[in-house]
Amino acid sequence: GQQLNQSPQSMFIQEGEDVSMNCTSSSIFNTWLWYKQDPGEGPVLLIALYKAGELTSNGRLTAQFGITRKDSFLNISASIPSDVGIYFCAGQGTASKLTFGTGTRLQVTL
Amino acid sequence: GAVVSQHPSWVICKSGTSVKIECRSLDFQATTMFWYRQFPKQSLMLMATSNEGSKATYEQGVEKDKFLINHASLTLSTLTVTSAHPEDSSFYICSASRTAQETQYFGPGTRLLVL
Repeated sequence: GQQLNQSPQSMFIQEGEDVSMNCTSSSIFNTWLWYKQDPGEGPVLLIALYKAGELTSNGRLTAQFGITRKDSFLNISASIPSDVGIYFCAGQGTASKLTFGTGTRLQVTL
Repeated sequence: GAVVSQHPSWVICKSGTSVKIECRSLDFQATTMFWYRQFPKQSLMLMATSNEGSKATYEQGVEKDKFLINHASLTLSTLTVTSAHPEDSSFYICSASRTAQETQYFGPGTRLLVL
């Protein structure tokens, strides 16, 4: 099945640094979602974006829905150790199905 | 609110046997539930969409006779892996939503190991 391209694939950062990751698609989506998955667990929704150009924040997280509706980015400010995990973007089209990105593995060093 | 549970959290079975995984929405009624499969270090891939009281819709390449899905109530969907083989070993995750267009809430996943 289709997957969305996420970059970077993985990143090591120091505690306190800001993080940026993005997601691109060849298809248009009506909704963009960002999830975090910890090892051995299901994904947890972080941010949902419903309109092209929308910029939404949730605490230290900020995400934007690209104008073209084919991309989105997620920023994490002042990273902390518990930010470690895999971040997935997901696009939702007119049908209810979610298409997930390839994931960005975040590791934080003290 | 919006809690989804899965049972069991992990299961080991012999090749050729069948395994049933349950997905429950604990504090809301879910007309639609989704089943995903995730192989190690890979993303989630949608297997099928189930609507309460009707047959599931399977994604291309997913064998409906091998992965039986039942969504008999608004709070329970089951996935049965029939005649499991080692290549079926994976992390199976369900999600549930009040309606098809609303937010999907994910369960904690079930790790299946087929020996």
